[in-house]
Amino acid sequence: DAGVTQSPTHLIKTRGQHVTLRCSPISGHKSVSWYQQVLGQGPQFIFQYYEKEERGRGNFPDRFSARQFPNYSSELNVNALLLGDSALYLCASSLGPLSVYQPQHFGDGTRLSIL
Amino acid sequence: DQQVKQNSPSLSVQEGRISILNCDYTNSMFDYFLWYKKYPAEGPTFLISISSIKDKNEDGRFTVFLNKSAKHLSLHIVPSQPGDSAVYFCAATSLQGAQKLVFGQGTRLTINP
Repeated sequence: DAGVTQSPTHLIKTRGQHVTLRCSPISGHKSVSWYQQVLGQGPQFIFQYYEKEERGRGNFPDRFSARQFPNYSSELNVNALLLGDSALYLCASSLGPLSVYQPQHFGDGTRLSIL
Repeated sequence: DQQVKQNSPSLSVQEGRISILNCDYTNSMFDYFLWYKKYPAEGPTFLISISSIKDKNEDGRFTVFLNKSAKHLSLHIVPSQPGDSAVYFCAATSLQGAQKLVFGQGTRLTINP
């Protein structure tokens, strides 16, 4: 079975541009979360979507937005890119918020570099 | 405010011995804890988890211990193998709401032959 897939794997942008990152969850998973991992730090929560609705938002500016499609895939959009947005962006999927916690499974990430 | 802390950035252990990775948390609302392992150029891989109603969970060579009064958890790997060399992240969440994961900074474990 395919795991969480993310595209592209690497991306180089300049300040002020915008970027769209894509994620396909594990088949059957309805929840997708996005995390940002800066070098030397642990991943930081950006968004969670479940059944196409936003369920949670981390402490990130409005330049960051996301959406989930009917097939449960997701996009993360970042506008007006800053140098500080350079990071590894991770997507994770899970079955969804159930009474018993379902571990999130991560993709290999998109490495975004801002010049 | 770092709600989950891994105070050891790195740890070196001899092959065959026990590896002990530590993690502290501050938020009393956390009720579920996880360990992830990360190799370079790959995403984090789920290893083992524990609910706050337990104090120990075991899966093969991996055991996680939770001390709620001290707000401390640890991951024991025994025996350690060269393939265990990776960065290990501790994460915590609440079963209420978005169930977002709050990660520590990670500990780089190196297993020496």
